[in-house]
Amino acid sequence: DTEVTQTPKHLVMGMTNKKSLKCEQHMGHRAMYWYKQKAKKPPELMFVYSYEKLSINESVPSRFSPECPNSSLLNLHLHALQPEDSALYLCASSQEFEGFSNTGELFFGEGSRLTVL
Amino acid sequence: RKEVEQDPGPFNVPEGATVAFNCTYSNSASQSFFWYRQDCRKEPKLLMSVYSSGNEDGRFTAQLNRASQYISLLIRDSKLSDSATYLCVVNSGSQGNLIFGKGTKLSVKP
Repeated sequence: DTEVTQTPKHLVMGMTNKKSLKCEQHMGHRAMYWYKQKAKKPPELMFVYSYEKLSINESVPSRFSPECPNSSLLNLHLHALQPEDSALYLCASSQEFEGFSNTGELFFGEGSRLTVL
Repeated sequence: RKEVEQDPGPFNVPEGATVAFNCTYSNSASQSFFWYRQDCRKEPKLLMSVYSSGNEDGRFTAQLNRASQYISLLIRDSKLSDSATYLCVVNSGSQGNLIFGKGTKLSVKP
């Protein structure tokens, strides 16, 4: 079982809805990530938080708003999404963001499968 | 040239076969290299890190050729349970972001 838990597992929303995806890890990791994955494509990085501060925003549209309330939690707030935003949203964590020369292992959650109607 | 390139496959092999996957990367400053495995509709999981000297974990062997900017994964004695997509992952040099290749799909048949 993964040590990164994501909720909800499935979400269907309309283009005018506001919803949130949640992610939690209790491994003491200091870096947390949001990835987006479309079918038959690799995960694409959206955001990186390091020590609860936003380190990277990969030019993600503002209708996606990340939030890191504490070192164990990561949220992704969704508002006014488009049907093309339908995808699997993966949360991941790692011990650190800098210094991938350690293990560099990303621990992924099972993902939240989002459908935008 | 894309940052991380892999042959998408699919590779269809019989049980017991040996199969090799290759991956090339474009950033010569990259320092960290990994193979991840992703089962259908599941999250990616680390299979193994790739070290300069090459490394082996059971039936799996990973090699790195820095001069050619090329990484390989060899799977010996394939099992049905090896069927998955194998993702080559490389950090993008100084910034440390991990870049995923598109993945190579492997199907092991009885």
